[in-house]
Amino acid sequence: TQLLEQSPQFLSIQEGENLTVYCNSSSVFSSLQWYRQEPGEGPVLLVTVVTGGEVKKLKRLTFQFGDARKDSSLHITAAQPGDTGLYLCAGDRSAGGTSYGKLTFGQGTILTVHP
Amino acid sequence: GAGVSQTPSNKVTEKGKYVELRCDPISGHTALYWYRQSLGQGPEFLIYFQGTGAADDSGLPNDRFFAVRPEGSVSTLKIQRTERGDSAMYLCASSLTSGLAQDTQYFGPGTRLTVL
Repeated sequence: TQLLEQSPQFLSIQEGENLTVYCNSSSVFSSLQWYRQEPGEGPVLLVTVVTGGEVKKLKRLTFQFGDARKDSSLHITAAQPGDTGLYLCAGDRSAGGTSYGKLTFGQGTILTVHP
Repeated sequence: GAGVSQTPSNKVTEKGKYVELRCDPISGHTALYWYRQSLGQGPEFLIYFQGTGAADDSGLPNDRFFAVRPEGSVSTLKIQRTERGDSAMYLCASSLTSGLAQDTQYFGPGTRLTVL
């Protein structure tokens, strides 16, 4: 059973289009992180969201954490070929400020942006 | 180096052999994590060290897998009697401190293990 469900699994779009990737769970997370991973490399952290309802923006990327801290979304505006990659959400099920020391990852969304 | 490094970058071995994968964390990072990532999937947690001790090894799939961090810095993931199903990308990450929520984990480039 996947603790974090990401959708869609694959996304193929044209340059300039907008897209949204979703990350859903029945569990509450103290924080949720989004990573981007390119072939042959490790994941690179994009953002951490902590507070329910929080919205963070990183240039053309907008990240939102659900009010109940069970879900999150990543929205990309005017996608570019350089955005191509594997996008991963990961949750930390810490409690009381003490980390459990491990991240639970979704299965990832493979994004391809065509010129 | 500035980041997490892992060696080798690629390892091809035969079924039944023993392999060791090495991780050099960022200097000063006390927490170290091992994850395994199959093709097209997200990473799965294997083990987490706080200093020299394994604080959580609940993700190790069976007793063929073992990891050490004897001096609280470099870690080695050891796999005995490898099986074809062990083929995957093995990722290492480190964080400055752990026991703190939202502590950022920095990942290495991974070791691609192929068991023939």
